[in-house]
Amino acid sequence: NAGVTQTPKFQVLKTGQSMTLQCAQDMNHNSMYWYRQDPGMGLRLIYYSASEGTTDKGEVPNGYNVSRLNKREFSLRLESAAPSQTSVYFCASSEASGGRNTEAFFGQGTRLTVV
Amino acid sequence: GEDVEQSLFLSVREGDSSVINCTYTDSSSTYLYWYKQEPGAGLQLLTYIFSNMDMKQDQRLTVLLNKKDKHLSLRIADTQTGDSAIYFCAERNQGGKLIFGQGTELSVKP
Repeated sequence: NAGVTQTPKFQVLKTGQSMTLQCAQDMNHNSMYWYRQDPGMGLRLIYYSASEGTTDKGEVPNGYNVSRLNKREFSLRLESAAPSQTSVYFCASSEASGGRNTEAFFGQGTRLTVV
Repeated sequence: GEDVEQSLFLSVREGDSSVINCTYTDSSSTYLYWYKQEPGAGLQLLTYIFSNMDMKQDQRLTVLLNKKDKHLSLRIADTQTGDSAIYFCAERNQGGKLIFGQGTELSVKP
């Protein structure tokens, strides 16, 4: 079972460069999420997608864009990377976004450094 | 707004009980979760509680929910060195957002 797969695992960017973090899940989940994890800040929601074709801003969306390409894939794009975007990024998916209990499954994370 | 708060560190001796606390602000929370993160890994669900419950027990884990005070706790009985990790409290609101706290780093000393 692959679960949630993120690529790449590590990336170093120069300030101003762009890149796309890829995420795919094979559990037929409706909802997908992108978080960033910083020391002492926990996980902060960047964007989420309740279902295919919809995306919504989370707590810290500035500087990011997302695309829910299909039900399996949810990508996160940094158009012009800044040192403040140095972080560990996690993608997650869950069965539904409504009131029904749903466990969120996480990828292994992407460690991004912007120099 | 939505906010989830936890203390950042907890240190206990092996065999003792650990209690990790969490407070949240969103009264529309439907489910509350505890996740565990080991070094270099993603998050794994430990347990969850529905917002109309007061307590849930699952082997060594006990979750207590005080909905009036918006306070959630996780008790780990007979804490082992393998329990050393970061523990995250999270809430899911009716809109489907899943909001996490800062995480509590649990250190278990032999």
